[in-house]
Amino acid sequence: AQKVTQAQTEISVVEKEDVTLDCVYETRDTTYYLFWYKQPPSGELVFLIRRNSFDEQNEISGRYSWNFQKSTSSFNFTITASQVVDSAVYFCALRINQAGTALIFGKGTTLSVSS
Amino acid sequence: GAVVSQHPSRVICKSGTSVKIECRSLDFQATTMFWYRQFPKKSLMLMATSNEGSKATYEQGVEKDKFLINHASLTLSTLTVTSAHPEDSSFYICSATGRGTGTAYGYTFGSGTRLTVV
Repeated sequence: AQKVTQAQTEISVVEKEDVTLDCVYETRDTTYYLFWYKQPPSGELVFLIRRNSFDEQNEISGRYSWNFQKSTSSFNFTITASQVVDSAVYFCALRINQAGTALIFGKGTTLSVSS
Repeated sequence: GAVVSQHPSRVICKSGTSVKIECRSLDFQATTMFWYRQFPKKSLMLMATSNEGSKATYEQGVEKDKFLINHASLTLSTLTVTSAHPEDSSFYICSATGRGTGTAYGYTFGSGTRLTVV
């Protein structure tokens, strides 16, 4: 069975602090895909990144960076110099390599950035 | 990129009535549609998966007679909440995958529908 665990329910930081959101996944498949989404208060899901299981390179996109480590089954997300606009719920998700399968979401981490 | 248009964004209905939520893929063929439900401050729970032209596959615990899903065409899927009750109040969101999808590896989400049953 597949599972995604986001142990941090809520995180509060002050602007300009760095923050890391943890994601641990479980799957027996050797090929799979990991995602991060942002859900602002309006509710829509904003796609942030997709990673396949064969690509362990870390990625940086502006203030966002992702650390994928298969050895620990983790796909952590770091926001550098956080801003108030980063306040949202962040979801980590997993998909196995089978056509027509849905994303399995973690429970999400609510990030609150205060000024 | 790929876009899924979901309507309505908000709906308030009376107990006992039915509500239909539509998801349309605007620039790609949605061969598979996923319907999720999200309670306040909770994760997205998969309700059902539907393939175009086939009956939907419901997740355990989801009442298929209450949540009717139709996916009759490659661009439209609907979720009808029948005989709605206050406990059906929730945020419903669709996600489509198929041919010609965009950069998110084929998963395009609608903007969600906030249903309130009074």
